[in-house]
Amino acid sequence: DFQMTQSPSSLSASVGDRVTITCRASQSIRDYLNWYQQKPGKAPKLLIYAASSLQSGVPSRFSGSRSGTDFTLTINNLQPEDLATYYCQQSFSTPPTFGQGTKVEIK
Amino acid sequence: EVQLLESGGGLAQPGGSLRLSCAASGFTLRMYAMSWVRQAPGKGLEWVSGISASGGTTDYADSVKGRFIISRDNSKNTLFLQINSLGVDDTAVYYCAKAISGDYLSAAFDLWGQGTTVTVSS
Repeated sequence: DFQMTQSPSSLSASVGDRVTITCRASQSIRDYLNWYQQKPGKAPKLLIYAASSLQSGVPSRFSGSRSGTDFTLTINNLQPEDLATYYCQQSFSTPPTFGQGTKVEIK
Repeated sequence: EVQLLESGGGLAQPGGSLRLSCAASGFTLRMYAMSWVRQAPGKGLEWVSGISASGGTTDYADSVKGRFIISRDNSKNTLFLQINSLGVDDTAVYYCAKAISGDYLSAAFDLWGQGTTVTVSS
């Protein structure tokens, strides 16, 4: 199985900050990397697919990028409603696997 | 409205069984692969099982292989997960999730249900 390693496991930032979350794949997954946001008590929501494509309806302050097997989710101008846990997921191979999650808190 | 609605969760004894359902509305279920993803209390997301659009191909996580059975009834726009030989480690919220496009079991999931809770306890 492909292992996905996310960092950090948690972070605290202020409204208006830029936040970056990293996900590293154990081997090449090309661009088959997706990002989800899960707010407390809610189902996950797709933010970014194929490493950098913004899902319809998602604010443009969210963006994704890739460098080799390293992937980054960037949140520009952090908003209070961005309080959530963020997960990466590879869809290159079955079984699809998720990172362990990054909890974003607002200072 | 495009949505998925799970049901069938509840309290079960170790060794017991449950059948989860996921009703789709607002889109044509038969066009998409579907999956079940679970989340144990306070833990991350774990893909459990997937099924192709036609139902002809299925796959399972090693942790549930031989105990869980995924199926679908496209005529009723419904996905199922039969869970047998339950253990305490199966306690989780179970979500059904739709593949973003095509017929790939491993895909981005662009639509999720609200989840149904399975609790395994004696």
